[in-house]
Amino acid sequence: EDKVVQSPLSLVVHEGDTVTLNCSYEVTNFRSLLWYKQEKKAPTFLFMLTSSGIEKKSGRLSSILDKKELSSILNITATQTGDSAIYLCAVRNNNNDMRFGAGTRLTVKP
Amino acid sequence: GAVVSQHPSWVICKSGTSVKIECRSLDFQATTMFWYRQFPKQSLMLMATSNEGSKATYEQGVEKDKFLINHASLTLSTLTVTSAHPEDSSFYICSAPRDRDLEQYFGPGTRLTVT
Repeated sequence: EDKVVQSPLSLVVHEGDTVTLNCSYEVTNFRSLLWYKQEKKAPTFLFMLTSSGIEKKSGRLSSILDKKELSSILNITATQTGDSAIYLCAVRNNNNDMRFGAGTRLTVKP
Repeated sequence: GAVVSQHPSWVICKSGTSVKIECRSLDFQATTMFWYRQFPKQSLMLMATSNEGSKATYEQGVEKDKFLINHASLTLSTLTVTSAHPEDSSFYICSAPRDRDLEQYFGPGTRLTVT
């Protein structure tokens, strides 16, 4: 059965810290890995990764996929209180089905 | 970017009644839409894949007679929770891919409370 595991489940840091969120997966016919940020309502898209070793960046956020290790990391540098959210990792297969991890709840304290 | 809407955003209903939730892709056509539910403090769980012009594909453990899905057109999918019970109370989210190679676009979600 397809599986997506995120760690840690919860993380509390102070503003200015750098955090690394992990996502590992076991999925048949892997197509892509996606990261989302969820605050109060539906998730908002952050990154989609399909190729190993290519870093995607958006401001203070960056992510990279390691297909050999079946994992991905999401980095947030110089964290701000507005980064507090649940970060979801999802894996999509060739049928376009998505499996979500449990999420990492990030709390950034001032 | 692409926009997906859901209606209603919040609904309260009594046990035993049915509730219909609509998911619309506003500026693109979607032959496939996905329905998820999310319990408090938990991740999204895929319930079913809605296919325009054919039957929906349900995930294991999801009752197809209870959660009726109709993909009426290329821009509209509906989820009807029939004979709702308090344990059906949840946050229901739909998503649609605009293209097989692009990310999913999520609707804002519908909070269902069954009393």
